[in-house]
Amino acid sequence: QITLKESGPTLLKPTQTLTLTCTFSGFSLTTSGVGVGWIRQPPGKALEWLALIYWNDDKRYSPSLKSRLTITKDTSKNQVVLTMTNMDPVDTATYYCARGYSSSSNLDYWGQGTLVTVSS
Amino acid sequence: QSVLTQPPSVSGAPGQRVTISCTGSSSNIGAGYDVHWHQQLPGTAPKLLIYDNSNRPSGVPDRFSGSKSGTSASLAIAGLQAEDEADYYCQSYDSSLSYVFGTGTKVTVL
Repeated sequence: QITLKESGPTLLKPTQTLTLTCTFSGFSLTTSGVGVGWIRQPPGKALEWLALIYWNDDKRYSPSLKSRLTITKDTSKNQVVLTMTNMDPVDTATYYCARGYSSSSNLDYWGQGTLVTVSS
Repeated sequence: QSVLTQPPSVSGAPGQRVTISCTGSSSNIGAGYDVHWHQQLPGTAPKLLIYDNSNRPSGVPDRFSGSKSGTSASLAIAGLQAEDEADYYCQSYDSSLSYVFGTGTKVTVL
């Protein structure tokens, strides 16, 4: 059974750095072709892709947010960590992690999401 | 910052067929990248519904079908049911080396 679960702070102040952890099971990030990515969704709005890291440590970032994002993996813990700097109220959203592949761009399993609110 | 354009809403009576369009450009769908569709039921996380343009993951009813042509793709729901009321998002890849999502479509069952 494949599962992913996001964890991290629920409330941040403007200018702070967000650190989110995706803990997964049922697959390995050492398997060729596998990746784990992050997607967010502001309340009542559309999905927005943020970043993805592949089994070989290749990383992809949203061009519009690249300067603020860092994605890393810890294969021994089955975790992927996303950091986003200089948080702003417009970054308030539910943040999801999902499994992806290098051979196809589909995201086949999603976590339940975690709501992050940015407010002073 | 959605790169793929979808109609905001579509509706239909139970049993009817509805289609959702997803329009991209020459740097994503038109460049040959596959299109995938995700269903988001109210208050829940998205779920993969169609992958690689027209394939259904195990457990997805065959009422759902996908197609792709040129710079666009479509999702069709045949025999619309009350449980299909949800938001639907298309998703693809872009030549800028990024994943891209659609603007999302809310399906209402009348």
